[in-house]
Amino acid sequence: GNSVTQMEGPVTLSEEAFLTINCTYTATGYPSLFWYVQYPGEGLQLLLKATKADDKGSNKGFEATYRKETTSFHLEKGSVQVSDSAVYFCALSASLSGGYNKLIFGAGTRLAVHP
Amino acid sequence: GAVVSQHPSWVICKSGTSVKIECRSLDFQATTMFWYRQFPKQSLMLMATSNEGSKATYEQGVEKDKFLINHASLTLSTLTVTSAHPEDSSFYICSATRQGLANTEAFFGQGTRLTVV
Repeated sequence: GNSVTQMEGPVTLSEEAFLTINCTYTATGYPSLFWYVQYPGEGLQLLLKATKADDKGSNKGFEATYRKETTSFHLEKGSVQVSDSAVYFCALSASLSGGYNKLIFGAGTRLAVHP
Repeated sequence: GAVVSQHPSWVICKSGTSVKIECRSLDFQATTMFWYRQFPKQSLMLMATSNEGSKATYEQGVEKDKFLINHASLTLSTLTVTSAHPEDSSFYICSATRQGLANTEAFFGQGTRLTVV
């Protein structure tokens, strides 16, 4: 079956530190991979995505590379800011019949960045 | 990006009453909408997949008679929590995908926090 495993949080960093949040997946076929961010009391916002092997998604200084050989999609940022404090969800899309998506989420990783 | 609006953002209701949550795609047609439930500090659990004009497909363990889903148009899906009880208190989030595009991005509403007292 399809599943996503994320590193457990919380992750606590000082401002300007390097961030890595690990994500591995199990899937049949060739899913698309996503990172979503959730700020307190809000819904999810797409942070970045990759649709095929070796693709790199990037946005707002965050990057993740679709690694088929290691079934991973680790999230990285070179220098975090206090405003990056949020919960980050790794997800994959499993295609339903008719070509539409069903998103399967990891457990989420809470990031806290201190000044 | 596309906009999905959820209403209300929060609601408090008494045990035994029903609550309706609306999910609208404001600037695109969404053939498929998804309803999730999120407990504090946990991930999103898919409750059901809603296709316009047909019955929703519920995930295992989700009571279809308790969580009524209607997707009457390409821009609106509703979730009704019937005879709500305190254990139904949760954060409910909807998402929508654009019509006709496979393997594409899902757009999320801002969520509805339901508290049953």
